[in-house]
Amino acid sequence: SQTIHQWPATLVQPVGSPLSLECTVEGTSNPNLYWYRQAAGRGLQLLFYSVGIGQISSEVPQNLSASRPQDRQFILSSKKLLLSDSGFYLCALDLTSGYTDTQYFGPGTRLTVL
Amino acid sequence: AQKVTQAQTEISVVEKEDVTLDCVYETRDTTYYLFWYKQPPSGELVFLIRRNSFDEQNEISGRYSWNFQKSTSSFNFTITASQVVDSAVYFCALSEVGNFGNEKLTFGTGTRLTIIP
Repeated sequence: SQTIHQWPATLVQPVGSPLSLECTVEGTSNPNLYWYRQAAGRGLQLLFYSVGIGQISSEVPQNLSASRPQDRQFILSSKKLLLSDSGFYLCALDLTSGYTDTQYFGPGTRLTVL
Repeated sequence: AQKVTQAQTEISVVEKEDVTLDCVYETRDTTYYLFWYKQPPSGELVFLIRRNSFDEQNEISGRYSWNFQKSTSSFNFTITASQVVDSAVYFCALSEVGNFGNEKLTFGTGTRLTIIP
């Protein structure tokens, strides 16, 4: 079965600093990958998704970006963090294209911007 | 646009009581999927169920049951004989097709369930 790894687990960064969060998957190939953010006390907001290497779709305008340099790697980045970027970032995957399937989530990265 | 409403922000019940979590959704799609996820204190979302919009049969899995009613756009989740381990935040979600034909989920804001021993 597939496994999702997220690194780091927790992160405290100052405002204006850069960001790089990594998501890697095992046990599957060519997954659809997703980045979600959960602000404190709120639901999950879809940020980006990717159906393949170099294919990124952005859901909300923001100072974040995503990249997929390898089939099983999905990276979330920022050049300058804002206070509002604080939250719990979750990577997810689903296994089927062209037909809805179930998304499975990684353990998450808790980001605090000070 | 898709929308999922979980009107109950927090619920507390005494252990062994039954509890129902409400979920109401809005969509213009004729084909869609509905989901429930559990988020324990560790933070990771745990998949519970996925239901096709064409299948309105209720589903039961152990102490968990789900009531899908298309007429009222609701997909409610009931836990019978609740246990302390059921304490978590529960999210309802609705799928739509993304730009690449993949699935995108719209989540409700979640219901925090606390089971009191």
